[in-house]
Amino acid sequence: GDSVTQMEGPVTLSEEAFLTINCTYTATGYPSLFWYVQYPGEGLQLLLKATKADDKGSNKGFEATYRKETTSFHLEKGSVQVSDSAVYFCALTPSGTYKYIFGTGTRLKVLA
Amino acid sequence: KAGVTQTPRYLIKTRGQQVTLSCSPISGHRSVSWYQQTPGQGLQFLFEYFSETQRNKGNFPGRFSGRQFSNSRSEMNVSTLELGDSALYLCASSLSGGEETQYFGPGTRLLVL
Repeated sequence: GDSVTQMEGPVTLSEEAFLTINCTYTATGYPSLFWYVQYPGEGLQLLLKATKADDKGSNKGFEATYRKETTSFHLEKGSVQVSDSAVYFCALTPSGTYKYIFGTGTRLKVLA
Repeated sequence: KAGVTQTPRYLIKTRGQQVTLSCSPISGHRSVSWYQQTPGQGLQFLFEYFSETQRNKGNFPGRFSGRQFSNSRSEMNVSTLELGDSALYLCASSLSGGEETQYFGPGTRLLVL
């Protein structure tokens, strides 16, 4: 069945470090891929998305590229800030299904 | 625009009772999805509604049900509550679902004793 696997957390980094959070998926057809973020005390919100292979989603310095050949959608940021501390969720929806699969979330803590 | 609202925000119930949670989507959004969030399982998809029709559902027992009204507001119901149903229940809305961005509400935290 459809699934999303993302790296276990927590991930602890120093400010200005490079961030990668791995996400791989299993899905039939061509799913749309998402990264959602949950900041402390706030609701889930979309960070970025990509709807077809080789698309790159980007927002707030974060990027992720839809890699069909490796079924991956890794999240990257070149220089993290304390304000990036949050829980990050990778998610997918298989085309035309109106069904949404989320990973278990990766907690990121950035230290000043 | 007002965001997605969920009521109530907190609920305490006992085993065997039933509960109804409500979700009001962003104005103009016709797709509403429901999720169960727990520390161990993350976010699990319950069901999605569009124009009063359930278009898909996740792998939950029949005790979990939902509906959507003509104004796009949605409710979910859990009957015969079990301890394991304790969770944060989130709803999200989008214009028409699929690849569109979902906007999440703050959730209803349910505690089953």
